[in-house]
Amino acid sequence: DTEVTQTPKHLVMGMTNKKSLKCEQHMGHRAMYWYKQKAKKPPELMFVYSYEKLSINESVPSRFSPECPNSSLLNLHLHALQPEDSALYLCASSQDTGHMTQYFGPGTRLLVL
Amino acid sequence: GNSVTQMEGPVTLSEEAFLTINCTYTATGYPSLFWYVQYPGEGLQLLLKATKADDKGSNKGFEATYRKETTSFHLEKGSVQVSDSAVYFCALTGYGGSQGNLIFGKGTKLSVKP
Repeated sequence: DTEVTQTPKHLVMGMTNKKSLKCEQHMGHRAMYWYKQKAKKPPELMFVYSYEKLSINESVPSRFSPECPNSSLLNLHLHALQPEDSALYLCASSQDTGHMTQYFGPGTRLLVL
Repeated sequence: GNSVTQMEGPVTLSEEAFLTINCTYTATGYPSLFWYVQYPGEGLQLLLKATKADDKGSNKGFEATYRKETTSFHLEKGSVQVSDSAVYFCALTGYGGSQGNLIFGKGTKLSVKP
């Protein structure tokens, strides 16, 4: 089974709201990722967690706050977002970092009003 | 640095036509190469992969061969179906500071007409 699940599927939020995106995998993977994808563009890496520790932060604004509570779960906390943050947010996982195959979830489509 | 270049789309084909989507890469060492597919309104699905030179990845009738001499990983399918309409991304994983990063091409949109 190579399933990564994400909730919610869709999210609409105002610029003053606080919300969270959730990602879960039960493949025993030790690396998890957040990507942002704008329309007609490839995904852009935001964060990488390796063994539950943040290993890469691609200069993402602090209004995005990742959290990895355990090896199966990855959250992305959102606060004071801007309309330009509207996008598809994808979670992925892999056995480890390096030359490992990444498996993606279905994504959360976020609209910031 | 590492990069992936794939042919610009959109590509429009009739059902049962032959498909080729070109992908070339620049990377140090020996990257792993991937094709991902994104159907409308969905996330990315791994289509196929190859981890060393001359490896052929295949899945659902799609194939791609890791050609180190031409730094290419072209995607092919002998007979496309309407259900193959999607965006296809070529990608690689690299070494060093980008370890763990997937480097994507810009994507190629495929539309298959009945």
